[in-house]
Amino acid sequence: KNEVEQSPQNLTAQEGEFITINCSYSVGISALHWLQQHPGGGIVSLFMLSSGKKKHGRLIATINIQEKHSSLHITASHPRDSAVYICAVNFFSGGSNYKLTFGKGTLLTVNP
Amino acid sequence: GAVVSQHPSWVICKSGTSVKIECRSLDFQATTMFWYRQFPKQSLMLMATSNEGSKATYEQGVEKDKFLINHASLTLSTLTVTSAHPEDSSFYICSVGGPDFNEQFFGPGTRLTVL
Repeated sequence: KNEVEQSPQNLTAQEGEFITINCSYSVGISALHWLQQHPGGGIVSLFMLSSGKKKHGRLIATINIQEKHSSLHITASHPRDSAVYICAVNFFSGGSNYKLTFGKGTLLTVNP
Repeated sequence: GAVVSQHPSWVICKSGTSVKIECRSLDFQATTMFWYRQFPKQSLMLMATSNEGSKATYEQGVEKDKFLINHASLTLSTLTVTSAHPEDSSFYICSVGGPDFNEQFFGPGTRLTVL
């Protein structure tokens, strides 16, 4: 069964802390996405990766294909980083890989 | 990435009426678009995949006669919720398939409240 598991479900941090959110998946994928959703807001795509590591500002995403695992790191966290972070993957489907399977999300709260 | 808009951003309607939500790809020719529904504190649920000029493919359990999808051009897809009921109240999000077949660009969402 194609599954995506995220941990933790909820995370509370103090401003300035280093944050890590984890994502694991069950079978082979063509790509993994990290998405951000602020309360009441739309979905923002942070990263799409299929290998290695990507960095954008204070955000870093890594993926280990052999271990079927990815992490999203936030350095020097800030209250404006408070949001739900969602891991989504494109499982190999034999046809179009467009279809995304989503994790349940991690609610991050960064307190000042 | 592609810029995707949705209209309206929120709508309140009476039970039994129909509501149309538009999803536009502003700077990219969208052959494939997706419609999602998101209930509070839950993740996105794919409702259907629409391809320009052909019938949408609905996910299991989604009533195609209730959620009418039209993708008549490369820049516009519409979702019509027919005979809306309070249980249809949700956040509806569209996305556009990018040139990389792994990629999707999301619209800002439409919040539907049915009274």
